[in-house]
Amino acid sequence: EPEVTQTPSHQVTQMGQEVILRCVPISNHLYFYWYRQILGQKVEFLVSFYNNEISEKSEIFDDQFSVERPDGSNFTLKIRSTKLEDSAMYFCASNPGQGRLWELFFGEGSRLTVL
Amino acid sequence: AQSVTQLGSHVSVSEGALVLLRCNYSSSVPPYLFWYVQYPNQGLQLLLKYTTGATLVKGINGFEAEFKKSETSFHLTKPSAHMSDAAEYFCASKPTGTYKYIFGTGTRLKVLA
Repeated sequence: EPEVTQTPSHQVTQMGQEVILRCVPISNHLYFYWYRQILGQKVEFLVSFYNNEISEKSEIFDDQFSVERPDGSNFTLKIRSTKLEDSAMYFCASNPGQGRLWELFFGEGSRLTVL
Repeated sequence: AQSVTQLGSHVSVSEGALVLLRCNYSSSVPPYLFWYVQYPNQGLQLLLKYTTGATLVKGINGFEAEFKKSETSFHLTKPSAHMSDAAEYFCASKPTGTYKYIFGTGTRLKVLA
């Protein structure tokens, strides 16, 4: 079965540095998401993306965060100036938008450690 | 704000025993409801979902869940636990009129030999 792939699996960065997390959603999926999970806490919604624009975002998703889908396949999450509290597992997910409507397909996550 | 509550962050059962993982949602309009499983170092995998129709939903690996509107619950059950069921389980809701999914805090299931 097709999978959502994420890179890198683990990234360590210094506070204040920019980080880009990459995702390749399942082809032909229409809705794309980023979630994060701080160690031991719940999975939190960050942003959803549809038709080449943000469809919804949470209060966590402030000006330090951005997403784009530059080439029709990759879906990236950028954190401009990382903070210690950005340390978390970041999950990309996609949804076909029809047929298996509203099923989210998740990648294996990118663990971000901010020092 | 809408939320999903999972009672019990850790649940232990003996192999062959009944598995019951609890989930309650808060929403005036019944949302779509999901159970996901996460094995170590892996992403979340859909176990089952409730959207409309039959309130007893069967999923993969012998799991099922029952939507009870009067109790705002969507508890996950499996008649007989297997060692391979050890994982973290997340209940999630997708409220109507929104793109986002709201996850519970997760329940780590341990299966004892």
